[in-house]
This record gives sequence, C-alpha cells and structure tokens, in this order.
Amino acid sequence: QKEVEQNSGPLSVPEGAIASLNCTYSDRGSQSFFWYRQYSGKSPELIMSIYSNGDKEDGRFTAQLNKASQYVSLLIRDSQPSDSATYLCAVNGPSGGYNKLIFGAGTRLAVHP
Amino acid sequence: NAGVTQTPKFQVLKTGQSMTLQCAQDMNHNSMYWYRQDPGMGLRLIYYSASEGTTDKGEVPNGYNVSRLNKREFSLRLESAAPSQTSVYFCASSEVEANYGYTFGSGTRLTVV
Repeated sequence: QKEVEQNSGPLSVPEGAIASLNCTYSDRGSQSFFWYRQYSGKSPELIMSIYSNGDKEDGRFTAQLNKASQYVSLLIRDSQPSDSATYLCAVNGPSGGYNKLIFGAGTRLAVHP
Repeated sequence: NAGVTQTPKFQVLKTGQSMTLQCAQDMNHNSMYWYRQDPGMGLRLIYYSASEGTTDKGEVPNGYNVSRLNKREFSLRLESAAPSQTSVYFCASSEVEANYGYTFGSGTRLTVV
C-alpha cells in the first residue's frame, strides 16, 4: 500500500462546477497535510495546508481533513480553465519523519469551457 | 526575493558523465530537499538536509550524493550518470521540519543518453 494515494485522473469538470480531489494516507499518526498545484512543466506550488479535522477555506479552495478515516480532500468551487493542473497531496508524520513530506502521485484536473 | 534557485534548468548528459545540480535558498530555511519526479510516480525524495551540517538518505538515494555547503546551499551530484536518472529534479526548502510545507525551485530537466 502506498503511503499517500490519489486517483491519477484525469478528472474532467465543466467551467463553473465544483471539482473534488481526494487523497488517502496510511500513517494514522500523520499531522500535517498539504495540497500543491503543479502546472505542466512547472514546479509545485503550495495552495492549502490543514492540520486539524474539519474544513479550511481559502477563496475558492476548501481543504477537508478526516483523520479517523485517514482522508483529505480539496474542493475547488467555480472551477476555471486556469485551474487545469495536476494537484499533489502531501503528508508529513511519524513514518516519513516530521521533517519531510510524502507525496501522492497527483490527480490531473481538466476544466473545460 | 528569489526563493529557491536551481541551476541548470536543462542538461543533457552522456552515460557515465558526472554533474552537480546546484540549489540555493534565500529564505533562511533550515531544511532542504532533493526530489525527482517521473511520470506516474510523483515526487520521490532522494536526499534531504534537516539542518546545516546534516544530510540523510531518502527513498531513492542510489547513484547520488549531496553536500550541504552552508545554510543556503544544497547540491546534488551524479557521479556516473545512467539513463535511469533521466528525470526532472526539484530542490525544495522548508522553515522548520516541513510543518509549513515546502517552497520548490523551478526544477532541472535532465536527460541521460
């Protein structure tokens, strides 16, 4: 079992819809959770971090964390073509060490007009 | 404010050649990391340096060496390049134990022929 798992996609949504990206992790002791956005040919960019159960909102983005289910998600409201990118989930915690992140393989999101 | 600077951006090597990838950060971060990214495999940690003077192996260290030259600089060396090392390499830094996520450099696209 991979430590951080994501569906590879592509996830295709129409412009204006809600895109829902999901991530599961195997280490129950993980403490910090991150979502990165990566455009093709570019480096990953941190867009959301979440540390406690529940929702965290930032503009059109909402991160959701459920530690009991070992599940973290990213919702993008009013999706725009400019949101088309690969979204990487990353986790730190005991097995990986607190001083490094473990990344999922990413979910490719395509927003079509 | 440059953030994390990587050089070179592109490189083509012949099998058996050596080279050093350079990384420097100007954010006074303690920890620095080298990852490689291959299609479908996400970001895999090669080596990291939790603080100046320390380095540790990551998930895929074979064929690589690193040097934490000072707090700002962390280099990655390929002693004898192999085609399997064809990849995109990212350097990243973090403030303290990756709890706030990483800042990535722009990447080096390396091809070994």
